[in-house]
Amino acid sequence: EIVMTQSPATLSVSPGERATLSCRASQSVSSHLVWYQQKPGQAPRLLIYGASTRATGVPARFSGSGSGTDFALTISSLQSEDFALYYCQQYNNWPYTFGQGTKLEIK
Amino acid sequence: QVQLQESGPGLVKPSETLSLTCTVSGGSISNYYWSWIRQPPGKGLEWIGYIYYSGSTNYSPSLKSRVTMSVDTSKNQFSLKVSSVTAADTAIYYCARVASDGNNWFDPWGLGTLVTVSS
Repeated sequence: EIVMTQSPATLSVSPGERATLSCRASQSVSSHLVWYQQKPGQAPRLLIYGASTRATGVPARFSGSGSGTDFALTISSLQSEDFALYYCQQYNNWPYTFGQGTKLEIK
Repeated sequence: QVQLQESGPGLVKPSETLSLTCTVSGGSISNYYWSWIRQPPGKGLEWIGYIYYSGSTNYSPSLKSRVTMSVDTSKNQFSLKVSSVTAADTAIYYCARVASDGNNWFDPWGLGTLVTVSS
C-alpha cells in the first residue's frame, strides 16, 4: 500500500498571501494524484486531478505541481473561503490512499 | 448535475452489520464505478472499495473480509455492508462516483452519514 504523507499538518497564512501544501508518496505514483478541499460539515470537493489539472469551476489561484513522489498544491492569494482542510490522494495503485490532510488556517 | 445521498442507521451495535445505501440522482448509475469512503472522527479518509454498475467489485484489502457492495440499477442505488463491526468502524461514510475507469478519483461525493458503533 502506498503511504501518502502531507506536510505540514497545519499551515497558518494571512489572507492575500501564498500558501504551498506538500504531499509525498512512499513510491512513485507518476502524475496520478488529486487534491481535495474539505470544509467543516461538508464532503470533500475535487480541486486538482492528474497532479496539475484544475477541476471544473476551481479558481485559477489553485495550482498543482509535481510527479513521481513529490507534489504541491499552491494557492496564490488566499481568500477567506480557502481556509479549510486539504487532502491528497493517489490513484496509481490499488488500494487508493489519502494523505492525512493539511489544515490551512488564518494567521 | 449528479447528486449522491447516503442513508441508513446512524447507530449500530458491536458485532452487528452496518448497512448503508447511496441514492444517485440527476444522472444514471450506468457506465460508472461507484465508491465508498469513510472518515473516522477527527481522522483522515479511507477508501473502502468500489462497485461497477454491472456488479463487479474491488475492495480495500484491510476491509475485504468484512465488506460487501451491491448495486440496484432499477433504483439508481448502490449499497455497502460491513459485518462484525467494532468501535473502530465508527466514521462518517461517504459515497462517491469514480471519475472513470483508470481515473480513480472521486467526484462528486455525497454529504456523508455518521455511523456510530456502540451498544
